[in-house]
Amino acid sequence: ETGVTQTPRHLVMGMTNKKSLKCEQHLGHNAMYWYKQSAKKPLELMFVYNFKEQTENNSVPSRFSPECPNSSHLFLHLHTLQPEDSALYLCASSQGFGNQNTEAFFGQGTRLTVV
Amino acid sequence: RKEVEQDPGPFNVPEGATVAFNCTYSNSASQSFFWYRQDCRKEPKLLMSVYSSGNEDGRFTAQLNRASQYISLLIRDSKLSDSATYLCVSLSSGSARQLTFGSGTQLTVLP
Repeated sequence: ETGVTQTPRHLVMGMTNKKSLKCEQHLGHNAMYWYKQSAKKPLELMFVYNFKEQTENNSVPSRFSPECPNSSHLFLHLHTLQPEDSALYLCASSQGFGNQNTEAFFGQGTRLTVV
Repeated sequence: RKEVEQDPGPFNVPEGATVAFNCTYSNSASQSFFWYRQDCRKEPKLLMSVYSSGNEDGRFTAQLNRASQYISLLIRDSKLSDSATYLCVSLSSGSARQLTFGSGTQLTVLP
């Protein structure tokens, strides 16, 4: 049982499709993250939201569009993706940007295949 | 230079062995550190936070050396179930705190 849930778990989409990934956290955290993990590569931070405000966008192509309607929900809208965008997309949440240690908790990820 | 660097391994050790992983970080302003483990095709899970005085949790011991910007993880009496990729993580300070992950060290414990 995880405090961070992602849907769908698996997604296959064509390059002309539009789809959205959803993340929900039940931990009362204030910060949420999208990470991308390609095969045999380290986790790459894509977006960070702190108290619903985007604080980081790591030069992610515009075909990825995040949305954070509240502190518990995070979306990643996808359109006109490329085959090289196929990867595991992980959502995480953490307590926020106070002075305390703030480890992140991950959802189980969405395994995306672009065909 | 990568912000967080780890030896990728793989480390193949027999059951019961002691194994140590090292990690270096380049951002001297990094405030907190963690070790995560990631099983194949699964999400990373927090293994332990790393405190400046060093900390121990059962068979696992983490050490932090801020002067050398070095973090370590020691696993004693390794079990088959310890086989995974171990990720070293730093948390930057400031208004845009973010977690930076190393590329991970792969461990296989052999029977």
